Amino acid sequence: AQSVAQPEDQVNVAEGNPLTVKCTYSVSGNPYLFWYVQYPNRGLQFLLKYITGDNLVKGSYGFEAEFNKSQTSFHLKKPSALVSDSALYFCAVRDSDSWGKFQFGAGTQVVVTP
Amino acid sequence: DAGITQSPRYKITETGRQVTLMCHQTWSHSYMFWYRQDLGHGLRLIYYSAAADITDKGEVPDGYVVSRSKTENFPLTLESATRSQTSVYFCASSESSINEQFFGPGTRLTVL
Repeated sequence: AQSVAQPEDQVNVAEGNPLTVKCTYSVSGNPYLFWYVQYPNRGLQFLLKYITGDNLVKGSYGFEAEFNKSQTSFHLKKPSALVSDSALYFCAVRDSDSWGKFQFGAGTQVVVTP
Repeated sequence: DAGITQSPRYKITETGRQVTLMCHQTWSHSYMFWYRQDLGHGLRLIYYSAAADITDKGEVPDGYVVSRSKTENFPLTLESATRSQTSVYFCASSESSINEQFFGPGTRLTVL
């Protein structure tokens, strides 16, 4: 069985401040982890992924995420948030034992204020 | 144009009617997925497919049927629509099961 949790429904941050969106997961095998972003009335867009290799993953738009196996976490970070980063962010996981069964978190709304 | 498209974009139907949502991708991606998005639940996987004629159930498959006779198409059918199937439906495709998914624009379905 696999699961993913995004513990915060909403994250508020001032422009220019660091942004962190939390994600924790549970899988029986090895995790394949993804972050997506959704702007209003749009489909999801890929930001970054962790499959194997370096624990720090760099992605689109200045975002990065750190895979922490001991804490089963994959938090999304950005050093300096922009107002345009305001959107809905989703973490997704797939167990390496499951060929296509992805599970998405409930989403975290990020609000960046000027 | 290349990409992934969904049709219709908006649909209103009545309880008990059959509805088919279409999904088409031009990349020849092997994998295709159907999700529904509801407030508080994020995206939930309905069905997925690894290739033509290979499909499997996701987290919430009850009341839905899929087929994939051609690589580029992955229609989703609600056999007898219920109000609980009111949702926004997203189709996605990916080159492999470890590649990123590309999402369509979504279909907003309302069942009265």
